[in-house]
Amino acid sequence: AQSVTQLGSHVSVSEGALVLLRCNYSSSVPPYLFWYVQYPNQGLQLLLKYTTGATLVKGINGFEAEFKKSETSFHLTKPSAHMSDAAEYFCAVSDKGSGNTGKLIFGQGTTLQVKP
Amino acid sequence: DSGVTQTPKHLITATGQRVTLRCSPRSGDLSVYWYQQSLDQGLQFLIQYYNGEERAKGNILERFSAQQFPDLHSELNLSSLELGDSALYFCASSVDSGNEQYFGPGTRLTVT
Repeated sequence: AQSVTQLGSHVSVSEGALVLLRCNYSSSVPPYLFWYVQYPNQGLQLLLKYTTGATLVKGINGFEAEFKKSETSFHLTKPSAHMSDAAEYFCAVSDKGSGNTGKLIFGQGTTLQVKP
Repeated sequence: DSGVTQTPKHLITATGQRVTLRCSPRSGDLSVYWYQQSLDQGLQFLIQYYNGEERAKGNILERFSAQQFPDLHSELNLSSLELGDSALYFCASSVDSGNEQYFGPGTRLTVT
């Protein structure tokens, strides 16, 4: 069975500081990995995805993530936090190998607070 | 705007009632997924349809059912509602299984 663990349910950074949100996954087959962001009272917006190929993927709003198979990790980073980055972030895994259903298994989410 | 629409935005109903949530996928997307988001369970996959046929089931209660129509819109039916069914229900669509999913704004269901 697949699973996702996000380390830290709440992360607080100062504006301009590095953002690091941690995600570890468990999968018996090569996974597809995603990061989504949810702003208050809104749906989920795709930030970036990893399927195959280059392990460092760039997304929207200056975010990027690196797939590390040996560490089963897919941490999300942004060099300089902006106030508008304050939101909840979800890491998700999709088991492309299991009948290719594409269903997403989500982590519990990390709330990012950005202090002025 | 993801291109996925959901109606209604909010729904307040009483225990024991039945409701229907509607989702229209992005143009060209054949796959529709339903998810439930609650404080205690987080985001949980409920069910997936692909081009009108059920493809995968998650932790969906027997009181819940869904379908996808020929025009590819989908409906999630929730019956015999309980207080614990109060949650945000999201619909997502993708071109095909395994591709990135685009989420609608959600329907907030409150059962009183």
